[in-house]
Amino acid sequence: GENVEQHPSTLSVQEGDSAVIKCTYSDSASNYFPWYKQELGKGPQLIIDIRSNVGEKKDQRIAVTLNKTAKHFSLHITETQPEDSAVYFCAASNYGQNFVFGPGTRLSVLP
Amino acid sequence: DAGVIQSPRHEVTEMGQEVTLRCKPISGHNSLFWYRQTMMRGLELLIYFNNNVPIDDSGMPEDRFSAKMPNASFSTLKIQPSEPRDSAVYFCASSFPQYGQGANQPQHFGDGTRLSIL
Repeated sequence: GENVEQHPSTLSVQEGDSAVIKCTYSDSASNYFPWYKQELGKGPQLIIDIRSNVGEKKDQRIAVTLNKTAKHFSLHITETQPEDSAVYFCAASNYGQNFVFGPGTRLSVLP
Repeated sequence: DAGVIQSPRHEVTEMGQEVTLRCKPISGHNSLFWYRQTMMRGLELLIYFNNNVPIDDSGMPEDRFSAKMPNASFSTLKIQPSEPRDSAVYFCASSFPQYGQGANQPQHFGDGTRLSIL
Protein backbone atom coordinates (compact mmCIF):
# COMPACT_ATOMS: atom_id res chain seq x y z
CA GLY A 1 0.00 0.00 0.00
CA GLU A 2 0.84 3.68 -0.12
CA ASN A 3 3.36 5.08 2.37
CA VAL A 4 3.85 8.82 2.84
CA GLU A 5 6.86 10.25 4.63
CA GLN A 6 7.09 13.88 5.72
CA HIS A 7 10.03 16.03 6.85
CA PRO A 8 10.83 17.79 9.03
CA SER A 9 8.66 16.77 11.97
CA THR A 10 9.14 20.18 13.56
CA LEU A 11 10.13 23.49 11.98
CA SER A 12 10.75 26.88 13.54
CA VAL A 13 11.16 30.00 11.42
CA GLN A 14 11.30 33.72 12.07
CA GLU A 15 8.31 35.75 11.04
CA GLY A 16 8.74 36.86 7.45
CA ASP A 17 10.99 33.96 6.49
CA SER A 18 9.97 31.07 4.22
CA ALA A 19 9.07 27.56 5.34
CA VAL A 20 9.39 24.39 3.27
CA ILE A 21 7.92 21.00 4.12
CA LYS A 22 8.72 17.95 2.02
CA CYS A 23 6.85 14.69 1.45
CA THR A 24 7.63 11.51 -0.43
CA TYR A 25 5.22 8.79 -1.47
CA SER A 26 5.70 5.20 -2.55
CA ASP A 27 2.80 4.37 -4.87
CA SER A 28 3.48 5.60 -8.42
CA ALA A 29 -0.26 5.36 -9.12
CA SER A 30 -1.02 8.19 -6.67
CA ASN A 31 -2.31 11.20 -8.55
CA TYR A 32 -3.75 13.62 -6.00
CA PHE A 33 -1.75 15.42 -3.31
CA PRO A 34 -3.54 17.70 -0.84
CA TRP A 35 -2.04 19.66 2.03
CA TYR A 36 -3.91 20.26 5.27
CA LYS A 37 -3.38 22.67 8.16
CA GLN A 38 -4.52 21.64 11.62
CA GLU A 39 -4.84 24.16 14.44
CA LEU A 40 -5.19 23.18 18.06
CA GLY A 41 -8.58 21.68 18.81
CA LYS A 42 -9.67 21.76 15.19
CA GLY A 43 -9.91 19.32 12.33
CA PRO A 44 -7.47 19.44 9.40
CA GLN A 45 -8.38 22.08 6.86
CA LEU A 46 -7.41 21.90 3.20
CA ILE A 47 -5.05 24.71 2.22
CA ILE A 48 -3.91 23.67 -1.25
CA ASP A 49 -3.88 20.59 -3.46
CA ILE A 50 -2.20 19.48 -6.66
CA ARG A 51 -3.00 16.82 -9.21
CA SER A 52 -0.47 14.74 -11.08
CA ASN A 53 -0.88 16.56 -14.38
CA VAL A 54 0.47 19.77 -12.82
CA GLY A 55 4.00 20.49 -11.58
CA GLU A 56 3.35 23.56 -9.48
CA LYS A 57 0.44 25.47 -8.02
CA LYS A 58 0.33 28.77 -6.13
CA ASP A 59 -2.22 30.47 -3.95
CA GLN A 60 -0.99 33.77 -2.54
CA ARG A 61 1.78 32.94 -0.02
CA ILE A 62 1.41 29.18 -0.44
CA ALA A 63 2.79 27.03 -3.25
CA VAL A 64 3.09 23.32 -3.84
CA THR A 65 5.49 21.57 -6.22
CA LEU A 66 5.29 17.99 -7.46
CA ASN A 67 8.01 15.81 -8.93
CA LYS A 68 6.33 12.63 -10.14
CA THR A 69 9.55 11.03 -11.29
CA ALA A 70 11.11 11.33 -7.86
CA LYS A 71 7.75 10.79 -6.11
CA HIS A 72 8.02 13.81 -3.91
CA PHE A 73 6.08 17.01 -3.36
CA SER A 74 6.70 20.08 -1.24
CA LEU A 75 4.79 22.87 0.45
CA HIS A 76 6.30 26.35 0.39
CA ILE A 77 5.03 29.17 2.60
CA THR A 78 6.54 32.59 2.00
CA GLU A 79 6.46 35.65 4.27
CA THR A 80 5.39 33.53 7.23
CA GLN A 81 3.15 35.04 9.89
CA PRO A 82 2.42 33.91 13.47
CA GLU A 83 -1.01 32.65 12.36
CA ASP A 84 0.75 30.15 10.09
CA SER A 85 1.82 28.27 13.22
CA ALA A 86 0.04 24.89 13.14
CA VAL A 87 0.56 21.25 12.21
CA TYR A 88 0.70 20.62 8.47
CA PHE A 89 -0.13 17.28 6.85
CA CYS A 90 0.53 16.12 3.33
CA ALA A 91 -1.45 13.27 1.80
CA ALA A 92 -1.43 11.13 -1.31
CA SER A 93 -4.35 9.46 -3.02
CA ASN A 94 -5.15 7.41 -6.07
CA TYR A 95 -8.67 8.41 -7.09
CA GLY A 96 -9.66 8.29 -3.44
CA GLN A 97 -9.01 4.57 -3.21
CA ASN A 98 -6.08 4.92 -0.85
CA PHE A 99 -5.98 8.25 0.99
CA VAL A 100 -2.83 8.23 3.15
CA PHE A 101 -1.59 11.08 5.34
CA GLY A 102 1.97 11.90 6.29
CA PRO A 103 2.89 12.07 10.00
CA GLY A 104 2.71 15.87 10.11
CA THR A 105 5.04 18.85 10.60
CA ARG A 106 4.65 21.21 13.54
CA LEU A 107 5.46 24.69 12.25
CA SER A 108 6.24 27.49 14.70
CA VAL A 109 6.58 31.04 13.41
CA LEU A 110 8.48 33.12 15.91
CA PRO A 111 7.62 36.83 16.14
CA ASP B 1 -22.38 27.01 4.70
CA ALA B 2 -22.38 24.48 7.51
CA GLY B 3 -19.34 22.27 7.59
CA VAL B 4 -19.07 18.70 8.83
CA ILE B 5 -20.70 18.50 12.24
CA GLN B 6 -19.55 15.98 14.83
CA SER B 7 -20.98 15.21 18.23
CA PRO B 8 -20.15 15.05 20.99
CA ARG B 9 -17.00 17.20 21.01
CA HIS B 10 -15.72 15.45 24.12
CA GLU B 11 -16.58 12.08 25.61
CA VAL B 12 -15.23 10.59 28.80
CA THR B 13 -16.43 7.16 29.78
CA GLU B 14 -15.34 4.09 31.64
CA MET B 15 -13.81 1.03 30.11
CA GLY B 16 -16.41 -1.45 28.91
CA GLN B 17 -19.04 1.13 28.09
CA GLU B 18 -20.52 1.59 24.65
CA VAL B 19 -19.50 4.77 22.84
CA THR B 20 -21.34 6.27 19.87
CA LEU B 21 -19.85 9.08 17.82
CA ARG B 22 -22.01 10.98 15.37
CA CYS B 23 -21.37 12.82 12.14
CA LYS B 24 -23.41 14.98 9.81
CA PRO B 25 -21.61 15.45 6.47
CA ILE B 26 -21.81 18.49 4.25
CA SER B 27 -25.01 18.46 2.23
CA GLY B 28 -24.40 17.10 -1.26
CA HIS B 29 -21.29 15.16 -0.34
CA ASN B 30 -21.59 11.49 -1.22
CA SER B 31 -18.40 10.18 0.39
CA LEU B 32 -17.83 10.00 4.13
CA PHE B 33 -14.71 9.03 6.03
CA TRP B 34 -13.94 8.19 9.66
CA TYR B 35 -10.39 8.78 10.94
CA ARG B 36 -8.65 8.29 14.25
CA GLN B 37 -5.78 10.56 15.34
CA THR B 38 -3.23 9.71 18.01
CA MET B 39 0.25 10.98 18.75
CA MET B 40 1.74 7.55 18.11
CA ARG B 41 -0.04 6.63 14.87
CA GLY B 42 -1.06 9.99 13.41
CA LEU B 43 -4.16 10.14 11.22
CA GLU B 44 -5.52 6.69 10.38
CA LEU B 45 -8.40 6.02 8.01
CA LEU B 46 -10.84 3.66 9.68
CA ILE B 47 -13.60 3.33 7.09
CA TYR B 48 -15.16 5.20 4.22
CA PHE B 49 -18.56 5.19 2.55
CA ASN B 50 -19.73 6.09 -0.94
CA ASN B 51 -23.46 6.76 -1.30
CA ASN B 52 -24.06 5.32 2.19
CA VAL B 53 -22.34 2.03 1.31
CA PRO B 54 -19.15 1.01 3.16
CA ILE B 55 -16.37 0.70 0.58
CA ASP B 56 -13.26 0.02 2.63
CA ASP B 57 -13.29 -0.90 6.31
CA SER B 58 -9.82 -2.41 6.39
CA GLY B 59 -8.71 0.27 8.85
CA MET B 60 -11.25 -0.66 11.50
CA PRO B 61 -9.03 -1.99 14.29
CA GLU B 62 -11.23 -4.88 15.45
CA ASP B 63 -14.76 -6.14 15.78
CA ARG B 64 -15.44 -3.83 18.68
CA PHE B 65 -15.65 -1.01 16.13
CA SER B 66 -18.61 -0.62 13.79
CA ALA B 67 -19.83 2.18 11.54
CA LYS B 68 -23.13 2.83 9.85
CA MET B 69 -24.53 5.36 7.44
CA PRO B 70 -28.30 4.94 7.40
CA ASN B 71 -28.81 7.95 5.11
CA ALA B 72 -26.86 10.61 3.26
CA SER B 73 -26.92 13.04 6.16
CA PHE B 74 -25.89 10.92 9.13
CA SER B 75 -23.24 8.43 10.18
CA THR B 76 -22.24 6.79 13.44
CA LEU B 77 -19.08 5.13 14.69
CA LYS B 78 -19.65 2.80 17.60
CA ILE B 79 -17.18 1.16 19.96
CA GLN B 80 -18.51 -1.67 22.11
CA PRO B 81 -16.98 -2.46 24.53
CA SER B 82 -14.58 0.48 24.80
CA GLU B 83 -11.00 0.09 26.06
CA PRO B 84 -8.44 2.67 27.28
CA ARG B 85 -6.38 2.19 24.10
CA ASP B 86 -9.32 3.54 22.10
CA SER B 87 -8.65 6.98 23.56
CA ALA B 88 -7.99 9.33 20.64
CA VAL B 89 -9.51 12.11 18.59
CA TYR B 90 -11.95 10.75 16.03
CA PHE B 91 -12.61 12.78 12.90
CA CYS B 92 -15.31 12.54 10.31
CA ALA B 93 -14.73 13.97 6.84
CA SER B 94 -16.88 14.22 3.75
CA SER B 95 -16.33 14.95 0.08
CA PHE B 96 -17.90 14.77 -3.31
CA PRO B 97 -17.74 11.25 -4.78
CA GLN B 98 -14.28 9.73 -4.83
CA TYR B 99 -14.80 7.77 -8.00
CA GLY B 100 -15.28 8.33 -11.69
CA GLN B 101 -14.93 11.82 -13.03
CA GLY B 102 -15.49 13.22 -9.57
CA ALA B 103 -12.49 11.43 -8.14
CA ASN B 104 -9.79 13.12 -6.11
CA GLN B 105 -12.06 15.56 -4.38
CA PRO B 106 -10.75 17.30 -1.25
CA GLN B 107 -12.02 16.01 2.04
CA HIS B 108 -13.63 18.40 4.51
CA PHE B 109 -13.09 17.54 8.16
CA GLY B 110 -15.18 18.16 11.23
CA ASP B 111 -13.58 19.36 14.45
CA GLY B 112 -13.49 15.87 15.92
CA THR B 113 -14.58 14.05 19.04
CA ARG B 114 -11.98 13.76 21.78
CA LEU B 115 -12.61 10.37 23.38
CA SER B 116 -11.13 9.38 26.72
CA ILE B 117 -11.68 5.87 28.05
CA LEU B 118 -10.81 5.53 31.73
